[in-house]
Amino acid sequence: NAGVTQTPKFRVLKTGQSMTLLCAQDMNHEYMYWYRQDPGMGLRLIHYSVGEGTTAKGEVPDGYNVSRLKKQNFLLGLESAAPSQTSVYFCASSYLWRTQPQHFGDGTRLSIL
Amino acid sequence: KNEVEQSPQNLTAQEGEFITINCSYSVGISALHWLQQHPGGGIVSLFMLSSGKKKHGRLIATINIQEKHSSLHITASHPRDSAVYICAVPPGNQFYFGTGTSLTVIP
Repeated sequence: NAGVTQTPKFRVLKTGQSMTLLCAQDMNHEYMYWYRQDPGMGLRLIHYSVGEGTTAKGEVPDGYNVSRLKKQNFLLGLESAAPSQTSVYFCASSYLWRTQPQHFGDGTRLSIL
Repeated sequence: KNEVEQSPQNLTAQEGEFITINCSYSVGISALHWLQQHPGGGIVSLFMLSSGKKKHGRLIATINIQEKHSSLHITASHPRDSAVYICAVPPGNQFYFGTGTSLTVIP
C-alpha cells in the first residue's frame, strides 16, 4: 500500500498563476484533510472532507478551493497564487474524524514568487 | 490565539536520558493526538488518546482531561528519536496543532 500520496513534491509559481495539488489515498478512508505548515506556526487546517462529494472549511480556507469527486482523491486548488501562500502543504486521511490517527502524505513544498 | 501550547520548544538530551514533552490546550476535546515529524519533513501519528496512558515501545503518552494537559515521555532516548513532536486537538470541526517540540538526542 502506498498510503497517502501527494503530487507534486515541489513547485514554484509566479504570483497570479493557478495550480492544483493532488492527494490520493488507498486506505478507503472517509476523512481527508489539507493543511499548511509555516515556520514558527503549527499545522493549520485549510479544508477537509468527510466523504466523497463533500468539503468543508477549516481554519484558513481563504484563497483555496477543494474538490472530492472520488473517495480516494482530494484536490487543493489555488486559483490565483499569492506570495502569502508560500508554504509546505500536507494532505492527510483518517478512518474517523477525531478518534483515529491521521495518515499524512510527504508534503508539497510550494513557493510563490 | 493559541489553543495548543507545547513546552519546551527545543530540547537537547544525551542518549539514554528520560525525556518529557508537555502539551496544554484550552478547548474541550474528546481525544488528543501526538505526532512525530522527521527531519526530512514526513509526519507520523504516534498516539491518539482520550484518557489515562498509552505506551508504544519506549514512548508513553498520558492525558489529564480535567486539567487539559498531556505529556509525551521517551525512555532511554536514542539519536533516532531526534525529531519534532507535535500535539494536536480536534475540537468541533477543527484540528489545532501545537508548534512542536524540537528534540535532539546526542550520542
